[in-house]
Amino acid sequence: DGGITQSPKYLFRKEGQNVTLSCEQNLNHDAMYWYRQDPGQGLRLIYYSQIVNDFQKGDIAEGYSVSREKKESFPLTVTSAQKNPTAFYLCASSMGEGPRETQYFGPGTRLLVL
Amino acid sequence: AQSVAQPEDQVNVAEGNPLTVKCTYSVSGNPYLFWYVQYPNRGLQFLLKYITGDNLVKGSYGFEAEFNKSQTSFHLKKPSALVSDSALYFCAVRDSSGYSTLTFGKGTMLLVSP
Repeated sequence: DGGITQSPKYLFRKEGQNVTLSCEQNLNHDAMYWYRQDPGQGLRLIYYSQIVNDFQKGDIAEGYSVSREKKESFPLTVTSAQKNPTAFYLCASSMGEGPRETQYFGPGTRLLVL
Repeated sequence: AQSVAQPEDQVNVAEGNPLTVKCTYSVSGNPYLFWYVQYPNRGLQFLLKYITGDNLVKGSYGFEAEFNKSQTSFHLKKPSALVSDSALYFCAVRDSSGYSTLTFGKGTMLLVSP
């Protein structure tokens, strides 16, 4: 997990509320990613960013938004449009976005709905 | 489209015995293959990857994986299992074309009994 921090470790969301998950890396990596993990479903890509001020939708982007204003930071907002947000959210980064690059993961944030 | 299959939800092995966690893949071009391990409520840790060259790849914590192009497989192996190896293991694939993202399998839980 070293070099990538995610906060908070646990997050509770009320009905109709937007919440933001933090992801910071000090590895000087260009590319960053957000995944959602549900039991028995593996990891699914939400959004990714290859460079500052640019990002692309992944497989399950609906109900989520991101920004990439700084190289070190890639926050994820879970909006009220995401009807089933309960999951474990993982942030990752890699040196570049090439296919050979290894992605390194943060410790995760568990989001629960009240 | 690319995909990864981990045919076993769970693998049970006794400590000291060899272990194998299976993975098969499907890509249109040449594959880049990765194995990760996840301990409870933690992020994923990178174990090893196959890019090109020797079909037997050695990684962290004594793990290795064998790339078999004809069988489209990349099974994870360890000669002697430890109780501390008990965790969730993910195989992932990416097409060498560079236009695809990383696709994960659903994971295999490895349980090593004393």
